Amino acid sequence: GESVGLHLPTLSVQEGDNSIINCAYSNSASDYFIWYKQESGKGPQFIIDIRSNMDKRQGQRVTVLLNKTVKHLSLQIAATQPGDSAVYFCAESRHNTDKLIFGTGTRLQVFP
Amino acid sequence: SQTIHQWPATLVQPVGSPLSLECTVEGTSNPNLYWYRQAAGRGLQLLFYSVGIGQISSEVPQNLSASRPQDRQFILSSKKLLLSDSGFYLCAWNGGLGYGYTFGSGTRLTVV
Repeated sequence: GESVGLHLPTLSVQEGDNSIINCAYSNSASDYFIWYKQESGKGPQFIIDIRSNMDKRQGQRVTVLLNKTVKHLSLQIAATQPGDSAVYFCAESRHNTDKLIFGTGTRLQVFP
Repeated sequence: SQTIHQWPATLVQPVGSPLSLECTVEGTSNPNLYWYRQAAGRGLQLLFYSVGIGQISSEVPQNLSASRPQDRQFILSSKKLLLSDSGFYLCAWNGGLGYGYTFGSGTRLTVV
């Protein structure tokens, strides 16, 4: 279900390091997954998506990994920059529904 | 290309006053439309979604209502605002099954 009442966990990383943000999902019927980035005061922005017939997808400086066996999704950001500081949400789309279920979110803080 | 517009960006309203937030989508037809609320530092809570004109589904009982008078217009309303209605309201659209959402820029509502 949605964890909208929980405070966001925080990941702090040093500029230039790689970041890994994790997400667990509960429904094995989910077949489409998305990562969103939300900067303060703005709407979430699409970063990268992956379908269940894949286990890895790469974008520019970002990689999404999907482990269907343990129902786990991760977002890897290479060479993290100050502009990457934001809240990151994973979302899953369940089979035969057009509604996305969002995860709790993780706040990424990048320090020099 | 498709764009989504939300207004106003910020709003301060007294308790008991009415509310009307508007969202419009351009460049697509028959989109699925969504209203989300986000409390400060929290996750995304789905309030309403619509798959067509006049078709509204409510996800949680609350002091708010939604309407879709035109294909690409989605309105969030309240007759009498409560303090607990304060939050960041986000409109989103998608093209159907297996596609992610595109979010608007959000409306920051403060009920005083």
